[in-house]
Amino acid sequence: KAGVTQTPRYLIKTRGQQVTLSCSPISGHRSVSWYQQTPGQGLQFLFEYFSETQRNKGNFPGRFSGRQFSNSRSEMNVSTLELGDSALYLCASSPNPDSEQYFGPGTRLTVT
Amino acid sequence: GENVEQHPSTLSVQEGDSAVIKCTYSDSASNYFPWYKQELGKRPQLIIDIRSNVGEKKDQRIAVTLNKTAKHFSLHITETQPEDSAVYFCAAIPTMDSSYKLIFGSGTRLLVRP
Repeated sequence: KAGVTQTPRYLIKTRGQQVTLSCSPISGHRSVSWYQQTPGQGLQFLFEYFSETQRNKGNFPGRFSGRQFSNSRSEMNVSTLELGDSALYLCASSPNPDSEQYFGPGTRLTVT
Repeated sequence: GENVEQHPSTLSVQEGDSAVIKCTYSDSASNYFPWYKQELGKRPQLIIDIRSNVGEKKDQRIAVTLNKTAKHFSLHITETQPEDSAVYFCAAIPTMDSSYKLIFGSGTRLLVRP
């Protein structure tokens, strides 16, 4: 099976812009989670989706949002970008919510 | 909420020696504890996991132990090799809010000296 894929892999944006990141889970996986990775804060949970429903959200401002489509693909959006949003954004998929999670390669976002 | 603490932050061992990384968690209801290995510039890779109904699990040179009473779990790597050099993250899934989000430790940078 193909692994988790994320697009784009790299992105450079300026402050105030918005960005949409995409994640395609492993075929058959219905749960998708998003994480932010930075050198200072480590790996932090953003949100988790299962069957198109957001079941939980981490401690991030409302500028961070996401959704999941009927084919389990997921997108996350960050509006009004700030310098501190520069990070590696990782998505992970799992066959069921309480199963092992497999990560995609991430999208490295740089905000200038 | 759930908090996961990981020690040490860096670990340097000689090739062939063993390495041990320890994590403690705060939510006594947590029931799933994975370990991830992340090489530079790559995605975190699941290397082993354990559920709360098991005390120990082994996979070749890697083992994980869980002490539910003390709320800590450890990763053991035996006969370390240079390719084991990476950052290792422990994680736990808190169950208090019925959402399956991973709460990660801060990571351990393992260096295996040839």
